[in-house]
Amino acid sequence: DSGVTQTPKHLITATGQRVTLRCSPRSGDLSVYWYQQSLDQGLQFLIQYYNGEERAKGNILERFSAQQFPDLHSELNLSSLELGDSALYFCASSAWDSVTGELFFGEGSRLTVL
Amino acid sequence: AQSVTQPDIHITVSEGASLELRCNYSYGATPYLFWYVQSPGQGLQLLLKYFSGDTLVQGIKGFEAEFKRSQSSFNLRKPSVHWSDAAEYFCAVGAYSGNTPLVFGKGTRLSVIA
Repeated sequence: DSGVTQTPKHLITATGQRVTLRCSPRSGDLSVYWYQQSLDQGLQFLIQYYNGEERAKGNILERFSAQQFPDLHSELNLSSLELGDSALYFCASSAWDSVTGELFFGEGSRLTVL
Repeated sequence: AQSVTQPDIHITVSEGASLELRCNYSYGATPYLFWYVQSPGQGLQLLLKYFSGDTLVQGIKGFEAEFKRSQSSFNLRKPSVHWSDAAEYFCAVGAYSGNTPLVFGKGTRLSVIA
């Protein structure tokens, strides 16, 4: 158990809909990272937050947004969903905002768009 | 920007045999290198990491990796594979910057046969 909690574990929805994925980082970790894992693209970095502030942004679509709340949990919002958004979305946390720290991954939220 | 190549998509080894998973990176400066493992239905777990110093690093579960700057490689090895090692293995490269997240390779799936 990494200590990172993601909900929901599975989500099935239709095209055009909006979903919210939630992540609770390990106790004490200030950084939260979101990654998208698909068969063709592998693990793609989406966005990072550190202590409530956006720290780094990767290949995140404009239809996607995220935030980190004062209690340090994070939410990833995916809207106007398309079939190609079907993927496993991982949240990871670390104590600092430097990649020299180990990332602790949750078990992921599997999104299926029909 | 850094990048990672894992040339082997899928490798099958016999239980008890030795294992080497290849990883090549591209980065202009000294990289921070990682190997993660993902078991079915699980998140990623750190196996080992290299920041500096001894180029042969030891990790958990009997794994080791060797950093070879001249070959831009960071191959993962294990002398004797167990059936429980069947999983997906990811090599990742990072840089010392809060704005540079880990970049992952596309992974190598390891199957272990009796």
